[in-house]
Amino acid sequence: KAGVTQTPRYLIKTRGQQVTLSCSPISGHRSVSWYQQTPGQGLQFLFEYFSETQRNKGNFPGRFSGRQFSNSRSEMNVSTLELGDSALYLCASSLQGANGDTQYFGPGTRLTVL
Amino acid sequence: EDQVTQSPEALRLQEGESSSLNCSYTVSGLRGLFWYRQDPGKGPEFLFTLYSAGEEKEKERLKATLTKKESFLHITAPKPEDSATYLCAVQAGGGSQGNLIFGKGTKLSVKP
Repeated sequence: KAGVTQTPRYLIKTRGQQVTLSCSPISGHRSVSWYQQTPGQGLQFLFEYFSETQRNKGNFPGRFSGRQFSNSRSEMNVSTLELGDSALYLCASSLQGANGDTQYFGPGTRLTVL
Repeated sequence: EDQVTQSPEALRLQEGESSSLNCSYTVSGLRGLFWYRQDPGKGPEFLFTLYSAGEEKEKERLKATLTKKESFLHITAPKPEDSATYLCAVQAGGGSQGNLIFGKGTKLSVKP
């Protein structure tokens, strides 16, 4: 079974721009979660989507948004980029996203904001 | 507040020298505790899921155990290829869909 895929793998943007990252979950998985990983804060939860609906959201500003399509593929968008948004953005998929479902992670998208 | 603390932050071992990594957690209504391995520049790789106190799981040189307040990842006779950052995460109950709370990780280095 193919794993979680993320595109692009690397991105360089400048402050004020916006960016869209894409995630394709494991086949049959309906829940997609997004995380931001930085050296100082570690892995922090951004949001989770299930059946095209955002069910859960972490403590991030409204500049961070996402969506999920009917085939469970997901995108996240960051508008008005700031230097502090430089991070590894990770997508994870699971069957249902609840009751201790195991999440499987993609390779991540490395975003650098200059 | 739900919280996960891992110790030590870094651990250096000689090849063959067994040791344990600790993950302490405070969470309301534990739904699952997860161990992942992460290599530099890559996404976390799933290792184990534990659901209830007393549960144990093994895979090659790794064994994970769970109590009501902490989990241990035991590494027996490690090899250099076991060098990585090991992450512990929990999923709480009550509206925590898709939300894993991660510790900061333990960076393991195994020298030949």
